[in-house]
Amino acid sequence: EAGVAQSPRYKIIEKRQSVAFWCNPISGHATLYWYQQILGQGPKLLIQFQNNGVVDDSQLPKDRFSAERLKGVDSTLKIQPAKLEDSAVYLCASSLAQTTKHQFFGPGTRLTVL
Amino acid sequence: AQKVTQAQTEISVVEKEDVTLDCVYETRDTTYYLFWYKQPPSGELVFLIRRNSFDEQNEISGRYSWNFQKSTSSFNFTITASQVVDSAVYFCALSGTYKYIFGTGTRLKVLA
Repeated sequence: EAGVAQSPRYKIIEKRQSVAFWCNPISGHATLYWYQQILGQGPKLLIQFQNNGVVDDSQLPKDRFSAERLKGVDSTLKIQPAKLEDSAVYLCASSLAQTTKHQFFGPGTRLTVL
Repeated sequence: AQKVTQAQTEISVVEKEDVTLDCVYETRDTTYYLFWYKQPPSGELVFLIRRNSFDEQNEISGRYSWNFQKSTSSFNFTITASQVVDSAVYFCALSGTYKYIFGTGTRLKVLA
């Protein structure tokens, strides 16, 4: 069974530039999550999708971050414009059910904003 | 409000020692789930165990065991006879109504 795929694995950008991350969840997983993990901290949920609908985006900085999940499968997370404090690993995860099932995580995208 | 506290930031042990990682949680939900994940140096989070709020049975899986106590809102994780490969950051997580919250993690270093 293929795992959660993410790309790119690494990205370095200048502040005020824009960046996009892509995630392909495990086939059949209706729930998709994007997390931000700053060095030395636990993952922080940015947005949760159930199929292509948003369940929770309360911690997503909506003035600069956006995410979509077209057709309820792949998802993209965009930052525009990036700030220095956005430097982090962005993790994508998927699960069969919203809260009861454990999540399968992708390898993450390490973003460095200079 | 939900909260997960992992008070131990970093633990170092010598190989073959037993080690317990603490997790204390807060929730107002009556139905909730608790998880442990491992994040090795490669970075990818790996699921270890899930417990629901109605199942207080402790569980053992090889060298790993988990102690869930609702009375103290704790879900502790013990590694018996630790090995160097156990070196990683371990996260405790809680999910209630739609929300999934991770603790800040405990970095475990197992020295040869």
